[in-house]
Amino acid sequence: ETGVTQTPRHLVMGMTNKKSLKCEQHLGHNAMYWYKQSAKKPLELMFVYSLEERVENNSVPSRFSPECPNSSHLFLHLHTLQPEDSALYLCASSQDTGPTNNEQFFGPGTRLTVL
Amino acid sequence: QKEVEQNSGPLSVPEGAIASLNCTYSDRGSQSFFWYRQYSGKSPELIMFIYSNGDKEDGRFTAQLNKASQYVSLLIRDSQPSDSATYLCAADQGAQKLVFGQGTRLTINP
Repeated sequence: ETGVTQTPRHLVMGMTNKKSLKCEQHLGHNAMYWYKQSAKKPLELMFVYSLEERVENNSVPSRFSPECPNSSHLFLHLHTLQPEDSALYLCASSQDTGPTNNEQFFGPGTRLTVL
Repeated sequence: QKEVEQNSGPLSVPEGAIASLNCTYSDRGSQSFFWYRQYSGKSPELIMFIYSNGDKEDGRFTAQLNKASQYVSLLIRDSQPSDSATYLCAADQGAQKLVFGQGTRLTINP
């Protein structure tokens, strides 16, 4: 248990659905992240939030929309997804964003299947 | 494209032996490096991080960093079957970005 929780753990959705992924960290960290992990590909950074401000949007399609209402919560809103978006979506948090204290701790992930 | 390269394996090591996992990175500006372990169906779990050239030891794990050669390694001594997992190497590229390698699948044979 890393102190980062994600819900739901599994999600199946059609291409026309709208759904949201939720992440909560109980570590008092300042930065939160969304990653995508597909089979046989490296972890891909999607979004970074530092002190509730988005500091990185790694060329992610607009059908993925992040929201960070406070430093403990992070959402990923999904709409009009494609089957190739099926993957494990991981949330992570870190204490800080400098060259030290930036170790990232991951939640258990949401396994997303788009039909 | 700044990259982190790992041999995808599988790497097979007998129980009790030393497992050696290697990683190279292309961005000379990277200052910190991380090793994560990921069991099948689970999320990555941080094992070690290293910022300075040389060795850093934590229990059975030793991380080694050589910035001149842009090379990071992880040694696992007295390998156990429970060490069987995929090991991910990551490099910090600043601006809160970690770039991950594709991972090396390690199998410890009893």
